[in-house]
Amino acid sequence: KQEVTQIPAALSVPEGENLVLNCSFTDSAIYNLQWFRQDPGKGLTSLLLIQSSQREQTSGRLNASLDKSSGRSTLYIAASQPGDSATYLCAVHGSSNTGKLIFGQGTTLQVKP
Amino acid sequence: SQTIHQWPATLVQPVGSPLSLECTVEGTSNPNLYWYRQAAGRGLQLLFYSVGIGQISSEVPQNLSASRPQDRQFILSSKKLLLSDSGFYLCAWSVDGNQPQHFGDGTRLSIL
Repeated sequence: KQEVTQIPAALSVPEGENLVLNCSFTDSAIYNLQWFRQDPGKGLTSLLLIQSSQREQTSGRLNASLDKSSGRSTLYIAASQPGDSATYLCAVHGSSNTGKLIFGQGTTLQVKP
Repeated sequence: SQTIHQWPATLVQPVGSPLSLECTVEGTSNPNLYWYRQAAGRGLQLLFYSVGIGQISSEVPQNLSASRPQDRQFILSSKKLLLSDSGFYLCAWSVDGNQPQHFGDGTRLSIL
């Protein structure tokens, strides 16, 4: 059974700092991995999707990497801003036909001005 | 462009009452559709998914059911709500299983 873990559960950094969020999964037979952002009381916003054949994806100040063999993904945020404060969730696609997502518990990020 | 709508945004219901949450997607056809629940202090859990009209798969045994009466409409229902049904319900869609999932704004359900 696939399990997804995110460490740390919470993170507080000063504005401008570069930071890394971690995601690990127990079964390396995944089709892809997706990173989301969730603001308090809101739905999820898709940030990046990495296909199983890819090593990384970039969007603006965000860079996500994937190492299937070790069961790890990282989300790198460059030059953090207070507006980046949110909960970041990683989710693994366990099936290519249905796209069922298995989520981690999330990392709550606070960027202090 | 594609959009997803969920309603209502918040709902307070007594124990034992029925439930109907609706989700619709615009700007695409034959999407995969999903219902998730996010309970307090717990992660997101997939409840149901659908790859086509009338095709519903349930992920966990529970007090809820789902239906897809039209291509871009996904409904979450219950005949009698339990206290444990409280939570934040999210609907999502994707083009297929390998494409990103896009979420609605969610419905916060409180059971009294």
